[in-house]
Amino acid sequence: DSGVTQTPKHLITATGQRVTLRCSPRSGDLSVYWYQQSLDQGLQFLIQYYNGEERAKGNILERFSAQQFPDLHSELNLSSLELGDSALYFCASGLAGGNNEQFFGPGTRLTVL
Amino acid sequence: TQLLEQSPQFLSIQEGENLTVYCNSSSVFSSLQWYRQEPGEGPVLLVTVVTGGEVKKLKRLTFQFGDARKDSSLHITAAQPGDTGLYLCAASYSGAGSYQLTFGKGTKLSVIP
Repeated sequence: DSGVTQTPKHLITATGQRVTLRCSPRSGDLSVYWYQQSLDQGLQFLIQYYNGEERAKGNILERFSAQQFPDLHSELNLSSLELGDSALYFCASGLAGGNNEQFFGPGTRLTVL
Repeated sequence: TQLLEQSPQFLSIQEGENLTVYCNSSSVFSSLQWYRQEPGEGPVLLVTVVTGGEVKKLKRLTFQFGDARKDSSLHITAAQPGDTGLYLCAASYSGAGSYQLTFGKGTKLSVIP
């Protein structure tokens, strides 16, 4: 158990809809990272927050957004969903310093029908 | 954009055999992590290597960081069915976005009893 929690575990929705994925980091970690994993693309970095502020952006679509709240939990919002957004979405947390070790949650499997 | 190449992509071996998987980049890493991921679960951090030439051991797993810090290898001795999984390397690079992790596409290992 990494100490990172994610909800929900599974999410099935239709094209055009909007969903919110939630992540709680390990105790003491200030940084939260979001990743998307699909079969053909592997693990792709989406976005990083540090202590409530956006720190780095990766391959995140404009239809996706995220935020980190004062209690350090984070939410990833996905809107105008398309079939191609079906994937595993992982949250990771870390100290964002030193050796940049990141600890991953169990993921949310999103299926868009 | 830095790319991490992992090889082989797939590996199927008998229990008791030894194996090595590789991770290579054209750019120098500031640090590199190895993760293991099981189907439908989040990646689990195995080790972090930082110093060129560094060797770390974790039971039957030996991790090596290349002298030039552009490559790494993972060697498993006497593989067991419990070693089955997707092995991912992930690198941090110096400069902008240095707290992002770039992941390789992984080596999918199957150990047959």
